[in-house]
Amino acid sequence: EAQVTQNPRYLITVTGKKLTVTCSQNMNHEYMSWYRQDPGLGLRQIYYSMNVEVTDKGDVPEGYKVSRKEKRNFPLILESPSPNQTSLYFCASSYRTGGGETQYFGPGTRLLVL
Amino acid sequence: GDSVTQMEGPVTLSEEAFLTINCTYTATGYPSLFWYVQYPGEGLQLLLKATKADDKGSNKGFEATYRKETTSFHLEKGSVQVSDSAVYFCALSDPEYSGGGADGLTFGKGTHLIIQP
Repeated sequence: EAQVTQNPRYLITVTGKKLTVTCSQNMNHEYMSWYRQDPGLGLRQIYYSMNVEVTDKGDVPEGYKVSRKEKRNFPLILESPSPNQTSLYFCASSYRTGGGETQYFGPGTRLLVL
Repeated sequence: GDSVTQMEGPVTLSEEAFLTINCTYTATGYPSLFWYVQYPGEGLQLLLKATKADDKGSNKGFEATYRKETTSFHLEKGSVQVSDSAVYFCALSDPEYSGGGADGLTFGKGTHLIIQP
């Protein structure tokens, strides 16, 4: 089954404790990205990757890191989480870049930073 | 920069009512337009899309037409069902906007739709 998977689905942590949210897709997609969803703000892009070893900042990259060592995986790293990073996070992927492509979303990771 | 504006709701309708959710946009280039739907506890999934002016996207009884002259992409359905209750997001991707690459999505804030039996 074609899908985007994320782990964990739920996470409670404390300020400053490094964490990684994994994202994997099995569709051989080139483009992958991370979004965060907050009430009243909709979804905002954090980082994106147009292919292996090619990553760039989205609209709200502060406090986050990513890597793209393999085509299928795109982990999101919070080196020192803070309470303002409490949010619902979605990973997404699409077949290729160029505009107009449908993005496929993972089920989401709900993060609470105390 | 690019932006998407949509009514936030919640929008509450009775079953079999006609639905319109308004969406307008501003963009640097010639964007592709999307409607995504988020059912409770789930991720987003594509509902429909249109990639050029005057295109009509349709799926599951929902329709939206890409109107370049009014920069709009309103979502409509003739007869809603309880199972349509969800949050609906209008979004665009703009190949001339470098912020997210050609496929980065700019989202509206979402419209929470509630259908009562």
